[in-house]
Amino acid sequence: EPEVTQTPSHQVTQMGQEVILRCVPISNHLYFYWYRQILGQKVEFLVSFYNNEISEKSEIFDDQFSVERPDGSNFTLKIRSTKLEDSAMYFCASRGTGAFYGYTFGSGTRLTVV
Amino acid sequence: AQSVSQHNHHVILSEAASLELGCNYSYGGTVNLFWYVQYPGQHLQLLLKYFSGDPLVKGIKGFEAEFIKSKFSFNLRKPSVQWSDTAEYFCAVIPASGSARQLTFGSGTQLTVLP
Repeated sequence: EPEVTQTPSHQVTQMGQEVILRCVPISNHLYFYWYRQILGQKVEFLVSFYNNEISEKSEIFDDQFSVERPDGSNFTLKIRSTKLEDSAMYFCASRGTGAFYGYTFGSGTRLTVV
Repeated sequence: AQSVSQHNHHVILSEAASLELGCNYSYGGTVNLFWYVQYPGQHLQLLLKYFSGDPLVKGIKGFEAEFIKSKFSFNLRKPSVQWSDTAEYFCAVIPASGSARQLTFGSGTQLTVLP
């Protein structure tokens, strides 16, 4: 069964550093997403990406965040200057089109900012 | 914008007990509804989904959910839980129309099943 792959599974970074979280969506999917889950809290939408541009973004997705699809397979989330409150599990998801959205999540990257 | 409420934050049951987890949503239009499960240390997995048709939907691992449109509810049920059902359960909603259609999640319900 096709999977969404995320790397790394766990990243520890110092406050103020830049991090890039990587995702390989399912190959024939067209919509890509980043969600995050702060420990003990709900899963929150960050951003959606379609046709090489951001479709929607939440209030969380401020100027410190950016997304990119640098080639035909990877989808990245960059945090320019990490803060302690960015510590969370970050999930990538992708979906296709049609009656069944095929919304598939990756296994997540646990980001710890120290 | 849509929102989802899960009323039970933590549910503790003994094995073989019946389960019902509440989920209510708020949205002015047609929605599609999902239940996801997250086992400890693992990613979100789809349990079941409702798009249209029979409001009683069956998912994996013996779970089912009933969509009651008049109550804006989509409660998850299982007749007899097992220890391996210990996990966090998330209800999610997505507008049936629109472009990007991101999921909106509830706050989750932690289910602990005692052996």
